[in-house]
Amino acid sequence: GDSVTQTEGPVTVSESESLIINCTYSATSIAYPNLFWYVRYPGEGLQLLLKVITAGQKGSSRGFEATYNKETTSFHLQKASVQESDSAVYYCALGYNQGKLIFGQGTKLSIKP
Amino acid sequence: GPKVLQIPSHQIIDMGQMVTLNCDPVSNHLYFYWYKQILGQQMEFLVNFYNGKVMEKSKLFKDQFSVERPDGSYFTLKIQPTALEDSAVYFCASSFNQDTQYFGPGTRLLVL
Repeated sequence: GDSVTQTEGPVTVSESESLIINCTYSATSIAYPNLFWYVRYPGEGLQLLLKVITAGQKGSSRGFEATYNKETTSFHLQKASVQESDSAVYYCALGYNQGKLIFGQGTKLSIKP
Repeated sequence: GPKVLQIPSHQIIDMGQMVTLNCDPVSNHLYFYWYKQILGQQMEFLVNFYNGKVMEKSKLFKDQFSVERPDGSYFTLKIQPTALEDSAVYFCASSFNQDTQYFGPGTRLLVL
């Protein structure tokens, strides 16, 4: 079936260093899924970070970027310089036309001051 | 941003009893979802709901599960009867046009 695999956490990065969280997907039942990154900050609910619905396009938000790569079936999340406030759990997700989301297992990110 | 509320935040119940989880979606949203996350595992889709009907459900959505949204009030997930394996965090989400989903904070259900 369809699935999403992302970098296994926890991941610890020093403040102002760069970050990459890998995400690859398998979408056998839909040719062009929508791709999402969601984030859960401590004590808060899941919220959308960014989304891309067209293969080859890049999404960005709050300094984070991710490019929808259909050839490698990847949607890696990157940030050039992390801040302490980026500490959270990040979820990659694949979306269907009916709205159903398939989530990765989540990657817990901690930022060292 | 838009907020989805879930009531209660925690629920402890004896196996075999009925439980109703309540979701207060974003006011103008039309599509509603439930997801289940067992501790240490991925969040998994249960069901989506539109115009008074279930559109799609997963194999996790057992016969003991039902959803409804009577008269535009809460969107509810009812489990009757509950089983031990129903212990999980249940997340509600809503969306306007099947695009961006807004999630609630979850209801942590413990079945004893």
